[in-house]
Amino acid sequence: DQQVKQNSPSLSVQEGRISILNCDYTNSMFDYFLWYKKYPAEGPTFLISISSIKDKNEDGRFTVFLNKSAKHLSLHIVPSQPGDSAVYFCAATYLGNEKLTFGTGTRLTIIP
Amino acid sequence: NAGVMQNPRHLVRRRGQEARLRCSPMKGHSHVYWYRQLPEEGLKFMVYLQKENIIDESGMPKERFSAEFPKEGPSILRIQQVVRGDSAAYFCASSPPAANTEAFFGQGTRLTVV
Repeated sequence: DQQVKQNSPSLSVQEGRISILNCDYTNSMFDYFLWYKKYPAEGPTFLISISSIKDKNEDGRFTVFLNKSAKHLSLHIVPSQPGDSAVYFCAATYLGNEKLTFGTGTRLTIIP
Repeated sequence: NAGVMQNPRHLVRRRGQEARLRCSPMKGHSHVYWYRQLPEEGLKFMVYLQKENIIDESGMPKERFSAEFPKEGPSILRIQQVVRGDSAAYFCASSPPAANTEAFFGQGTRLTVV
């Protein structure tokens, strides 16, 4: 039962353009969502998060949007840079659960 | 403040041997999580521990796998009688004792069973 889904296994974007990574979830209890970035042979690195009381959170080039009614969130990276090439994981949790439920990841490639 | 430390980074074991993976959480973090990533898959939750307590082990295989987080020392994930299917990257994460906060991950231990 995949409660967090990232339906695009890969995405290629031109440098300088916007990268949009999508994530859907099925568990209505989830109230806190995170994005992690992972380079090969390294652990995931926290990028940005959003609470369900918000619909948008911005940090520099990264913005996460949450649509609770659609159970959908997205990560926007603008402008995209070569160093953004990595695998991006969406994760979700809820108060009292603590553990993170991860999606399967999207491999983002930024084309110079 | 050192990050989450995992060792070894790489571990090779023959079928039937035991594998021990260690994780030292970040300073001030009392919550430890173990995740497994199989090739081409996302990270799957295995177990959540606090000092001397297993809080949630719903993701742990029922046999051969065990985890502990003693009062002193690192958290240990132990896999007995390893099989080829145990080959994966095992990641440890830690977080402070607060709800809905990000977990910080170690660099992982890549276990290869030959």
